[in-house]
Amino acid sequence: RKEVEQDPGPFNVPEGATVAFNCTYSNSASQSFFWYRQDCRKEPKLLMSVYSSGNEDGRFTAQLNRASQYISLLIRDSKLSDSATYLCVVNPGGSSASKIIFGSGTRLSIRP
Amino acid sequence: DAGVTQSPTHLIKTRGQHVTLRCSPISGHKSVSWYQQVLGQGPQFIFQYYEKEERGRGNFPDRFSARQFPNYSSELNVNALLLGDSALYLCASSLLGAGTGELFFGEGSRLTVL
Repeated sequence: RKEVEQDPGPFNVPEGATVAFNCTYSNSASQSFFWYRQDCRKEPKLLMSVYSSGNEDGRFTAQLNRASQYISLLIRDSKLSDSATYLCVVNPGGSSASKIIFGSGTRLSIRP
Repeated sequence: DAGVTQSPTHLIKTRGQHVTLRCSPISGHKSVSWYQQVLGQGPQFIFQYYEKEERGRGNFPDRFSARQFPNYSSELNVNALLLGDSALYLCASSLLGAGTGELFFGEGSRLTVL
């Protein structure tokens, strides 16, 4: 089993729709979680951290389910500009980057 | 303020050659990490340097090496290039160790090995 798994997609949804995708992780001791966004042929950029109580940033909502070991990202009222690959990132703990694990990403395409 | 800068942005090499990739972190950031990203995959960790010391190494062969300079810039070296080394090489900087997960990436160096 991969340490961090994501549905690769692509998710192809119409503008204005709500879309959600999950990311599962295998290490139950993982401490921090993030969603990064990567546009085609660009570098990843931090979208949002994921807090235990769930958190929202505008149209984006991130949630953590420790019991089932997954995090989710919900995008409401999707825009054409939301088309990108969304990378799930898990940090089992500590300050070393060597422990940070990136998922393979979920590709999202918003159609007019 | 300048973000993370990497050079070169694109390069083409042949098998067996050597390549050096360079990275300048955001001013004030002391941690630099290197990642390899092949098409369709997430970034794979190669090295982390913090305060000029290696703090982590990923599962890459000894052909890969790196160092960090007193000004916190960094170099990634790859010897005896293989076709499979073709990838986007990303450098990320962070203020402290990378444990917070907030990594700031450069635009990457796209390496093609023929």
